[in-house]
Amino acid sequence: AQTVTQSQPEMSVQEAETVTLSCTYDTSESNYYLFWYKQPPSRQMILVIRQEAYKQQNATENRFSVNFQKAAKSFSLKISDSQLGDTAMYFCAFMKHTGANSKLTFGKGITLSVRP
Amino acid sequence: KAGVTQTPRYLIKTRGQQVTLSCSPISGHRSVSWYQQTPGQGLQFLFEYFSETQRNKGNFPGRFSGRQFSNSRSEMNVSTLELGDSALYLCASSSGLAGGSGANVLTFGAGSRLTVL
Repeated sequence: AQTVTQSQPEMSVQEAETVTLSCTYDTSESNYYLFWYKQPPSRQMILVIRQEAYKQQNATENRFSVNFQKAAKSFSLKISDSQLGDTAMYFCAFMKHTGANSKLTFGKGITLSVRP
Repeated sequence: KAGVTQTPRYLIKTRGQQVTLSCSPISGHRSVSWYQQTPGQGLQFLFEYFSETQRNKGNFPGRFSGRQFSNSRSEMNVSTLELGDSALYLCASSSGLAGGSGANVLTFGAGSRLTVL
């Protein structure tokens, strides 16, 4: 079974600064996907970024980038130029790469507050 | 392009009752999966339906069931409600097919908040 661990329950960052959210996972799979999802107070779960384990290049999406360390089973999210709208709960999630698959294993999440 | 639509958004039930939640996926998506979110257990996978068939199932009791219709809309049902079933129930849709840039990417609805009294 897979496990995803987000050890920091809360973080706070000043607007326009950079923040890094940590995530570690455990799996015996060699190929898989990793995701960061954002859940603002509206509760809508929004995909932030996706990483395919077989790709060595770290994924980036505008102000969001990841540091994927496969050997260390670490998958951190860096948010640059933080904005007030980034205030949300962030979930790290794992999915096996076995054909079509919709089962995500989530971490407990981290609450990020962006201060004006 | 319309997103994933879940109804109802909020509902209150009493113990012992049953409830049915509905999810309409993004047009063209054939896979619908359901997740339960609680403060204590976090986000947990319930089940996935693809082309009207349950393709994957999480570790929940038989009181939790679902189905999918030919238009890909899905319903989940919880019978004999317990206090611990109070949660946000999230539905997500995807193409359900392997390969392509959108493979394995889930788009979530806003959820149905169930309170059991």
